[in-house]
Amino acid sequence: GNSVTQMEGPVTLSEEAFLTINCTYTATGYPSLFWYVQYPGEGLQLLLKATKADDKGSNKGFEATYRKETTSFHLEKGSVQVSDSAVYFCALKDGTGGFKTIFGAGTRLFVKA
Amino acid sequence: SQTIHQWPATLVQPVGSPLSLECTVEGTSNPNLYWYRQAAGRGLQLLFYSVGIGQISSEVPQNLSASRPQDRQFILSSKKLLLSDSGFYLCAWTISGIHEQFFGPGTRLTVL
Repeated sequence: GNSVTQMEGPVTLSEEAFLTINCTYTATGYPSLFWYVQYPGEGLQLLLKATKADDKGSNKGFEATYRKETTSFHLEKGSVQVSDSAVYFCALKDGTGGFKTIFGAGTRLFVKA
Repeated sequence: SQTIHQWPATLVQPVGSPLSLECTVEGTSNPNLYWYRQAAGRGLQLLFYSVGIGQISSEVPQNLSASRPQDRQFILSSKKLLLSDSGFYLCAWTISGIHEQFFGPGTRLTVL
């Protein structure tokens, strides 16, 4: 079945450090891939997405590239801020017309000033 | 524009009491609707989803139930809460042709 695996947290970084959160997936066909962010006490928000191989999603300085050959969708940011502290979820929706989105377990990021 | 509402925002209930959480979506028609639960420090667990009025698919057998009495209303219920029902409940919606889901602000439920 479809699945998403992301690196365990928490990840603790200093402000302006480089961020990478790894995400790999297993899916049939050609899924769409997402990163969602959850700030404390809030619901999830879509951060970025990619719908086909080699697409790069980007938003608010975050980027992720859909790599079909390595089944990966790693999240990166060149210089994190304290306000980026949140939980990040990698997710996929398969391309077969199903109704469900598969979420990873989430990675908590703490950014220190 | 589309918006999604959940209420209440916070709820503290004794074990064995009933539960009703409500989710409504504005600005769209015939959405697919979802209920998720997030235990403390954990990921998302899909509980129910609905593709139309009166159509409910259950993902996890438990003492919770869901109903969709109107196109843009999704209700999560329980007749008798358990301690293990504590968590953060999230409602989400999407529509055909859109890949991403849109989440509500959540309801934090504490069962004592």
